[in-house]
Amino acid sequence: EIVLTQTPLSLPVTPGEPASISCRASQSLFDSDDGNTYLDWYLQKPGQSPQLLTYTVSHRASGVPDRFSGSGSGTDFTLKISRVEAEDVGVYYCMQRIEFPYTFGQGTRLEMK
Amino acid sequence: QVQLVQSGAEVKKTGTAVKISCKASGYTFTSAGFTWVRQAPGQGLEWMGWISGNYGNTQYAQRLQGRVTMSTDRTTRTAYMELRSLRSDDTAVYFCGRDRGAAGGIDYWGQGTLVTVSS
Repeated sequence: EIVLTQTPLSLPVTPGEPASISCRASQSLFDSDDGNTYLDWYLQKPGQSPQLLTYTVSHRASGVPDRFSGSGSGTDFTLKISRVEAEDVGVYYCMQRIEFPYTFGQGTRLEMK
Repeated sequence: QVQLVQSGAEVKKTGTAVKISCKASGYTFTSAGFTWVRQAPGQGLEWMGWISGNYGNTQYAQRLQGRVTMSTDRTTRTAYMELRSLRSDDTAVYFCGRDRGAAGGIDYWGQGTLVTVSS
């Protein structure tokens, strides 16, 4: 199965400052059949269900603020938050959907300094 | 608006089974599949499996093979996840999510169902 490795695992951030989370896959997430790269980012706020932030690397989900952006290709991906707000606190997970079993990264806990 | 509403919390004995429902509304049921994910206390997200919304094709996590069955009922617009031979390490919050595949990821989630397994 595909292993996703996230760094860092803990991310203290000052409000208004940028933040970045990395996700590295053990093999390419590019599907040559349809041209998509199947890497999503999810945020789980405390006590809540996960919520989709971006899918197929860089497509922002409906209602997601444009301060969130996803980038990357092949095996290396990044989620960036241009200016962190207090409501962004929670655990961020990358997830691959190119093949079964789907797998998640370990999660990155973002907290306010 | 799209909604996924899961059944309520369950307390089970080891060795028994649990069946969780996930009732969908606000979209064409057969246009998307369902992914099931669980989260043990204080742990990360674990993918359990996927079921298509139209034909009921399934994929399961290997570590759950033989103990898990996912199904859908198009007439009631409900997805189900049954887990058998429960063990204490099955204690977790279980989530269903609408899986739109290439068209949009797992974009809506149920509220979660806590399953507590004890002897």
